[in-house]
Amino acid sequence: GAGVSQTPSNKVTEKGKYVELRCDPISGHTALYWYRQSLGQGPEFLIYFQGTGAADDSGLPNDRFFAVRPEGSVSTLKIQRTERGDSAVYLCASSAMTGGDTGELFFGEGSRLTVL
Amino acid sequence: AQKITQTQPGMFVQEKEAVTLDCTYDTSDQSYGLFWYKQPSSGEMIFLIYQGSYDEQNATEGRYSLNFQKARKSANLVISASQLGDSAMYFCANAGGTSYGKLTFGQGTILTVHP
Repeated sequence: GAGVSQTPSNKVTEKGKYVELRCDPISGHTALYWYRQSLGQGPEFLIYFQGTGAADDSGLPNDRFFAVRPEGSVSTLKIQRTERGDSAVYLCASSAMTGGDTGELFFGEGSRLTVL
Repeated sequence: AQKITQTQPGMFVQEKEAVTLDCTYDTSDQSYGLFWYKQPSSGEMIFLIYQGSYDEQNATEGRYSLNFQKARKSANLVISASQLGDSAMYFCANAGGTSYGKLTFGQGTILTVHP
């Protein structure tokens, strides 16, 4: 597609369950980012991929959060043993630029996660 | 480390008038970038404008301009000739060093444009 695609757009789950959120970046974009946006706040950085590898995962809040990008395109954010505090909109963004240059980030519309 | 402060939770402007959205930043990096993004109710973040720390001139993109005052560490967004479609949440963000995609966002300002 033309833009960054995220699925599902909405996910409701119960506390303790496992969830996966998918991001399909713009074709050819080597850099992919995950952000989390809580209600009334600005997005917070979670993790950055350059190609297949996680170049910076310093924003992941704890070891329940994990992300992969096995073929350097689609990425999946995985959350184990979900907690109510994980409820937020998870935003994915991609960029054509590599490190050392500025680059516009293209964001998807996000996956809204609600943990009951 | 990066920090962004947006002190205006909400702003109102009359259609066709100009509005300034405030942003101050703090950073320990010598080289950094400043960004503004727009987030309409759909939730998607839309890039508006970028200013590099070594750029001597203020950035402009159509009706958007960034008033960059390095000594004051401010990067205010000016929207000229406001349109109804400008009503949205606006976020200022910065990034340092070589990680320009690793953005630190402020808390945002909700802009409402009145007809």
